[in-house]
Amino acid sequence: QKEVEQNSGPLSVPEGAIASLNCTYSDRGSQSFFWYRQYSGKSPELIMSIYSNGDKEDGRFTAQLNKASQYVSLLIRDSQPSDSATYLCAVTSGSSGSARQLTFGSGTQLTVLP
Amino acid sequence: EAQVTQNPRYLITVTGKKLTVTCSQNMNHEYMSWYRQDPGLGLRQIYYSMNVEVTDKGDVPEGYKVSRKEKRNFPLILESPSPNQTSLYFCASRGGETQYFGPGTRLLVL
Repeated sequence: QKEVEQNSGPLSVPEGAIASLNCTYSDRGSQSFFWYRQYSGKSPELIMSIYSNGDKEDGRFTAQLNKASQYVSLLIRDSQPSDSATYLCAVTSGSSGSARQLTFGSGTQLTVLP
Repeated sequence: EAQVTQNPRYLITVTGKKLTVTCSQNMNHEYMSWYRQDPGLGLRQIYYSMNVEVTDKGDVPEGYKVSRKEKRNFPLILESPSPNQTSLYFCASRGGETQYFGPGTRLLVL
């Protein structure tokens, strides 16, 4: 059973602070890693993807991947109240030619306090 | 506008009454899937389809059926709904590594 684990939170940070969201996965064959943001009552939307070890930055967002530790994280710098949402970690695994199923964690609820 | 559409958005039904939730995408994606989202459990894949006439089970397929007769459409069928299928359902299509989700269908089975 492939598993993706996240702290459910809720995580509260003050406006302007760095929010740190963490995710671990069980399948060492996992190849692609994603962070989705889901506002209350809305559908998930992709905000970051990362495929190799290290950091990947996009604006205020930085994704970090450590395959040896089976760990992926998302940092949000200068957090804004509009960042308040549930953040879903998702991992793709499967061998070449397969459907490469996407497995989601249960999500971390983030609240940015004004 | 590139989008995934689902209908209906809200549905209240009774146990055993067959229902279909439609899903359509206009991005010419081959891969489509259905998820259910429950509190504390996150998104769980029900079924997926790699192309027309090619479907396979996800993590929680029991009680559901799907069909893929056309590339753009991927309906979810509940032949005999039960209360434990009360949930929020999302259809998604995948382009490259990006999943595009529909707006969701909130289903209540009494």
